[in-house]
Amino acid sequence: KAGVTQTPRYLIKTRGQQVTLSCSPISGHRSVSWYQQTPGQGLQFLFEYFSETQRNKGNFPGRFSGRQFSNSRSEMNVSTLELGDSALYLCASSLHRDRGPYNEQFFGPGTRLTVL
Amino acid sequence: AQSVTQLGSHVSVSEGALVLLRCNYSSSVPPYLFWYVQYPNQGLQLLLKYTTGATLVKGINGFEAEFKKSETSFHLTKPSAHMSDAAEYFCAVSDRGTSYDKVIFGPGTSLSVIP
Repeated sequence: KAGVTQTPRYLIKTRGQQVTLSCSPISGHRSVSWYQQTPGQGLQFLFEYFSETQRNKGNFPGRFSGRQFSNSRSEMNVSTLELGDSALYLCASSLHRDRGPYNEQFFGPGTRLTVL
Repeated sequence: AQSVTQLGSHVSVSEGALVLLRCNYSSSVPPYLFWYVQYPNQGLQLLLKYTTGATLVKGINGFEAEFKKSETSFHLTKPSAHMSDAAEYFCAVSDRGTSYDKVIFGPGTSLSVIP
């Protein structure tokens, strides 16, 4: 079974631009979560989608948005990029939405975004 | 608020030596506890987790961790380090019955293995 895939793997943008990142979950998984990873802040939760609806959102500005399609694929968008948005963006999928630890998250390799 | 600390942002061990990565959490109620590993240019992979029951948890690749409530700790160990263990390790906690937005990750410990 294929793992979580993220495209593109690397991106270079300039300040003020916008960017869209894509995540394809493991087949059959319906929950997709996004995380931002930076050396200074570590891993921070962005948002979670389930059945095309955003279920939870982390503490990020409105410039960060996302969506999920009927096939569970998800995209996240960052508008008006800032230098501080440079990070590794990780997507994780899980089978269900239940909150127990038995519903393991599987992470993709991430998209490395550099903002110049 | 729940927090996770990992003592030592960087740990170096010799090949064949004991690996000990430290994790402490702040919750007064035993949470769910996790260790993840991240290899270069890859996402996170679950090593092991503690939910309930036996406090010594065995994971993949020969790693294990022991939950100690009295010390609010969940240290990760491996008896003999391999070169392939060089990676970033993250401890994470979540309060029971909460969602992924409440999963708190520690800052990570980078493990180097010296031949």
